[in-house]
Amino acid sequence: SQQGEEDPQALSIQEGENATMNCSYKTSINNLQWYRQNSGRGLVHLILIRSNEREKHSGRLRVTLDTSKKSSSLLITASRAADTASYFCATDETTDSWGKLQFGAGTQVVVTP
Amino acid sequence: GAVVSQHPSWVICKSGTSVKIECRSLDFQATTMFWYRQFPKQSLMLMATSNEGSKATYEQGVEKDKFLINHASLTLSTLTVTSAHPEDSSFYICSAPDVGGAGEQYFGPGTRLTVT
Repeated sequence: SQQGEEDPQALSIQEGENATMNCSYKTSINNLQWYRQNSGRGLVHLILIRSNEREKHSGRLRVTLDTSKKSSSLLITASRAADTASYFCATDETTDSWGKLQFGAGTQVVVTP
Repeated sequence: GAVVSQHPSWVICKSGTSVKIECRSLDFQATTMFWYRQFPKQSLMLMATSNEGSKATYEQGVEKDKFLINHASLTLSTLTVTSAHPEDSSFYICSAPDVGGAGEQYFGPGTRLTVT
């Protein structure tokens, strides 16, 4: 079953603008991960944030995690047309089944030149 | 970085036939792999955990007799869709965890199955 929800479901922005998407989950987690998927392709790992971390950066990506609210956000700064893709959050919930991920519904991002 | 491959990348089969999908870790060993299914415009749903040397564990609602998983070696897991039906048409994706990392997964490129 899916762990949680993402919003917005879809986001359309212009190049150079920032894109923010949010993810909520339901249970305790070990970590939360963000992935990108281009249409019809496999997933690319973007960033992992552990449950004891609050913020993490990687290039133009910034991820926050609020375990009290069971939510996370992904910010893409200075977006590019190549950032057009679907973005998924995924949570690693358990310690007895390491690596088993539950995915959110995803946010479809379109960046227009 | 680590690479996971899948074969075939796409397959079309007739109802009632069986289809085998392979997932390989190319430059690392994976004692555990995961199989996901993704319907169009939807998210990934975990189907099962493939364990080398033991039986796969299936998520609730996934028929183990329909989706046969065999983890034949430390670099190969196969998913066989038996007696396929049109509703089995989907994108099947496997993943293997980065054992040396903090929990990242390496995902295969996926297999598009169409059952006619």
